[in-house]
Amino acid sequence: DVKVTQSSRYLVKRTGEKVFLECVQDMDHENMFWYRQDPGLGLRLIYFSYDVKMKEKGDIPEGYSVSREKKERFSLILESASTNQTSMYLCASIPLLRTGGDTEAFFGQGTRLTVV
Amino acid sequence: AQKVTQAQTEISVVEKEDVTLDCVYETRDTTYYLFWYKQPPSGELVFLIRRNSFDEQNEISGRYSWNFQKSTSSFNFTITASQVVDSAVYFCALSELNDYKLSFGAGTTVTVRA
Repeated sequence: DVKVTQSSRYLVKRTGEKVFLECVQDMDHENMFWYRQDPGLGLRLIYFSYDVKMKEKGDIPEGYSVSREKKERFSLILESASTNQTSMYLCASIPLLRTGGDTEAFFGQGTRLTVV
Repeated sequence: AQKVTQAQTEISVVEKEDVTLDCVYETRDTTYYLFWYKQPPSGELVFLIRRNSFDEQNEISGRYSWNFQKSTSSFNFTITASQVVDSAVYFCALSELNDYKLSFGAGTTVTVRA
């Protein structure tokens, strides 16, 4: 089975702290994503990566950065955490296919981050 | 830009009732993919079904069925004879050809009461 593992289920951080959310997948997928989930808003894309050392901004990148030094690991960084970044964060991976998109995403279990 | 709308915020049913979840999408591409995901209380999104834009055939898979209509840009999902374990948040999502980014709807919370 494909496994996407996020390093923490729950995190509590203080305003202004630098926060690292880690995601590791074990199926050699090229594509990795970070989403943020808020009630009534669904999942919104923060950043994504189609290859090692490659990153692209999603719909809501402000206040975040990412790192992908190895194919299996995609890290989300909150440079200076703020209370409005309290949310559920979900990592996903998708294999690169010749048919381009005709495959499901595999999600981690989510990290519920609270910034106080 | 692509967009997915799930107008139903919450649905509550009694066990064994059928539940239909609505999903309307917007895209300029002629080739795209539609998905339904389930998020149980544990938090992890679980893939349920996938459809590409060239295949409007509606199918049944166990207690799940879906109705894809390009003419109305809708991709509705039905759970037949609901069970308490079906209680979850359900998300409809869309991706376009060669673009692996998913656009999600806001989600519909389904509560099945015993």
